[in-house]
Amino acid sequence: AQSVTQPDIHITVSEGASLELRCNYSYGATPYLFWYVQSPGQGLQLLLKYFSGDTLVQGIKGFEAEFKRSQSSFNLRKPSVHWSDAAEYFCAVGVYNQGGKLIFGQGTELSVKP
Amino acid sequence: EPEVTQTPSHQVTQMGQEVILRCVPISNHLYFYWYRQILGQKVEFLVSFYNNEISEKSEIFDDQFSVERPDGSNFTLKIRSTKLEDSAMYFCASCEEAHQPQHFGDGTRLSIL
Repeated sequence: AQSVTQPDIHITVSEGASLELRCNYSYGATPYLFWYVQSPGQGLQLLLKYFSGDTLVQGIKGFEAEFKRSQSSFNLRKPSVHWSDAAEYFCAVGVYNQGGKLIFGQGTELSVKP
Repeated sequence: EPEVTQTPSHQVTQMGQEVILRCVPISNHLYFYWYRQILGQKVEFLVSFYNNEISEKSEIFDDQFSVERPDGSNFTLKIRSTKLEDSAMYFCASCEEAHQPQHFGDGTRLSIL
């Protein structure tokens, strides 16, 4: 069965420091992978997506993610975190042959220290 | 930029009552979804809808749930007889094609008393 694991429930980084949020997936075929961000009281905003091709994908707000098939991972990175990046981050895999539903990880809450 | 809109933002309902959550997907999108997020838990898929019929549903989506696209713009989720455990944030999403990124609304917080 398909699944997504985000091992870190909560991460705190200092403003200006680099960030890496981990995501591992289980999926039988080539996955469609997404990172979404959720600010309090808001919906889910797409940060970036991977369908195929270049394994390093760029997204909005300076985020990037790298797809590593051998490790079944799709980690999210940002070289320098801003206070406004504090939010909850969700990794998701898209199941194309089941109506395109998304399976989400548990989420990682990011706090940013001044 | 076009948005998915959901109404109401917060719904409080007595247990056993029917509730309808409303969504207006982005106009040129063809695939529609409902997800829910119980407080402190992950976002869970409920149902996908394409070409005026359900294409996939989860175990959560039992006979108490139904979806409808009553006209060319709205997409609704009905819970026939609400239970306490239905309390959650419900998100509507839409996309142009099944493997394209889904655009989410801001959600409806459903509180069952």
